[in-house]
Amino acid sequence: DSGVTQTPKHLITATGQRVTLRCSPRSGDLSVYWYQQSLDQGLQFLIQYYNGEERAKGNILERFSAQQFPDLHSELNLSSLELGDSALYFCASSGLLSGEQYFGPGTRLTVT
Amino acid sequence: QQQVKQSPQSLIVQKGGISIINCAYENTAFDYFPWYQQFPGKGPALLIAIRPDVSEKKEGRFTISFNKSAKQFSLHIMDSQPGDSATYFCAAGVRDTGRRALTFGSGTRLQVQP
Repeated sequence: DSGVTQTPKHLITATGQRVTLRCSPRSGDLSVYWYQQSLDQGLQFLIQYYNGEERAKGNILERFSAQQFPDLHSELNLSSLELGDSALYFCASSGLLSGEQYFGPGTRLTVT
Repeated sequence: QQQVKQSPQSLIVQKGGISIINCAYENTAFDYFPWYQQFPGKGPALLIAIRPDVSEKKEGRFTISFNKSAKQFSLHIMDSQPGDSATYFCAAGVRDTGRRALTFGSGTRLQVQP
């Protein structure tokens, strides 16, 4: 158990809908990262937050957005969902000094 | 643009054998190279990591070898066990900045036969 929690575990929704994925980092970790894992694209970095502020952006679509709250949990919002958005979405967290990223169990999103 | 190339895509090893997975990177700014192990239905788990100021790091049966001039690094699993059967990902990142996004290889599915 990495100490990173993600909810929900599974999510099934229809095209055009909007969903919110939630992540709680390990105790004491200030950085949160979101990654997407799909069969054709592998593990892709989406976005990083550090203590509430956006720190780095990767291959994140404009339909996707994220935020980190004062209690350090983070949410990834996916809107206008398409079939191609079906994937595993992982959250990871890291401490200030080590930088080692620990991944949560993921949310499996299925868009039908 | 794939910045971290991983091979082989799949690997079958007999119990007790050595599993070797290779990765190559392009971005010379990378200074942090972790390996992750992922079991089906689980998130990637950090296995071992290395920085480019050392050429080798060993933790138990797992060893990372690093060749900075060739921009290559590899994972060796000694005395491979059926419980090691999983997908392994190499990754690279720039550790000493506030931006620590990891670039992952495409993964190697390892099967250790009893």
